[in-house]
Amino acid sequence: TQLLEQSPQFLSIQEGENLTVYCNSSSVFSSLQWYRQEPGEGPVLLVTVVTGGEVKKLKRLTFQFGDARKDSSLHITAAQTGDTGLYLCAGDTGNQFYFGTGTSLTVIP
Amino acid sequence: GAVVSQHPSRVICKSGTSVKIECRSLDFQATTMFWYRQFPKKSLMLMATSNEGSKATYEQGVEKDKFLINHASLTLSTLTVTSAHPEDSSFYICSASDGRATYEQYFGPGTRLTVT
Repeated sequence: TQLLEQSPQFLSIQEGENLTVYCNSSSVFSSLQWYRQEPGEGPVLLVTVVTGGEVKKLKRLTFQFGDARKDSSLHITAAQTGDTGLYLCAGDTGNQFYFGTGTSLTVIP
Repeated sequence: GAVVSQHPSRVICKSGTSVKIECRSLDFQATTMFWYRQFPKKSLMLMATSNEGSKATYEQGVEKDKFLINHASLTLSTLTVTSAHPEDSSFYICSASDGRATYEQYFGPGTRLTVT
């Protein structure tokens, strides 16, 4: 059983569409990170959220940390082919770090 | 800053041989390094955590005699896959932390291991 469950696991959308990826847990995290990973490369940090209810924007990407600090979402507006990749959330409990199950996104031109 | 390198980026070895993967922090001192294994389009699975100068802590189900981890300096950790089998073929990723915060890990580019 994974501590952090992501949904959906796989997502294929047309360029220009919007999408949301969810990262859920029953545990509380002191911080949560989102990463994007391309095939054959290591994960690249997109954002860190630390405050319950926090919303951060990174161009077309909007990240939200749940009020109870147990879940998070990543919303992409007007997806582009360059957004294709594996999106990973990761949570820090203060003494341990857990990766989510991952969401593989494919944006079709 | 905070660059982590891995070497080699790709390696092919024969069954029964051993292969060593290096993870280096290039511009900071890594008190803790983590080794992950990843299958295609799946998340990272933590294999072990190593602190400089002490024995690595392995996750449940990871054979410490098969995956030897050495963290001899503050900038270098190595993972040696001993007596490799085809099922060990995978993408191995390391990350490094300077110890300031659990979540501040910097990831290497990964090593693709193929065992034939």
